[in-house]
Amino acid sequence: ILNVEQSPQSLHVQEGDSTNFTCSFPSSNFYALHWYRWETAKSPEALFVMTLNGDEKKKGRISATLNTKEGYSYLYIKGSQPEDSATYLCASSDNKLTFGTGTQLKVEL
Amino acid sequence: AAGVIQSPRHLIKEKRETATLKCYPIPRHDTVYWYQQGPGQDPQFLISFYEKMQSDKGSIPDRFSAQQFSDYHSELNMSSLELGDSALYFCASSTDGYSGNTIYFGEGSWLTVV
Repeated sequence: ILNVEQSPQSLHVQEGDSTNFTCSFPSSNFYALHWYRWETAKSPEALFVMTLNGDEKKKGRISATLNTKEGYSYLYIKGSQPEDSATYLCASSDNKLTFGTGTQLKVEL
Repeated sequence: AAGVIQSPRHLIKEKRETATLKCYPIPRHDTVYWYQQGPGQDPQFLISFYEKMQSDKGSIPDRFSAQQFSDYHSELNMSSLELGDSALYFCASSTDGYSGNTIYFGEGSWLTVV
């Protein structure tokens, strides 16, 4: 993998559903993996920074895992709410961030 | 808590003009990054500074230059503007160069070139 890739590109879920997305990144020269939540016309909100293989981070209903050997991270949202609707960006870094394309989440009532 | 401050928030310039964007990092942050996000595109890294020295350079056109000043604020200077320079320009800051610390973003400066 040469670039940071995210899937799916977009996702529509119902309120209360749990969901997850994937971020794939080059495992060579890996330093850290960042997750951001980005709402239109606002600055990206930092969710997690993970550096170690097997790292798991949690913030409320949102959690993330990291596998540096195979080059992927999962972001999980438990019990999705309409306010979770946003674009979720991951970024891998050496000494700068390389962003993925984002997963656009829409949570419907 | 203080965040990354960018100014101006919106800017309209004509082709071939010059524009300057300013970024004030979070207090005690010594590293600044600039990103450009074109319409419908991912953010693209332009340039970064650590302790007032350029630390990395990405896809920044030769028409653009940037620097970080003694008070750690940074300015992105864009000359001979082209229509394709219309984008949202984000500044971000962190501490200790790049050490895996959280990088915080400003709200961005919208540049429209007409």
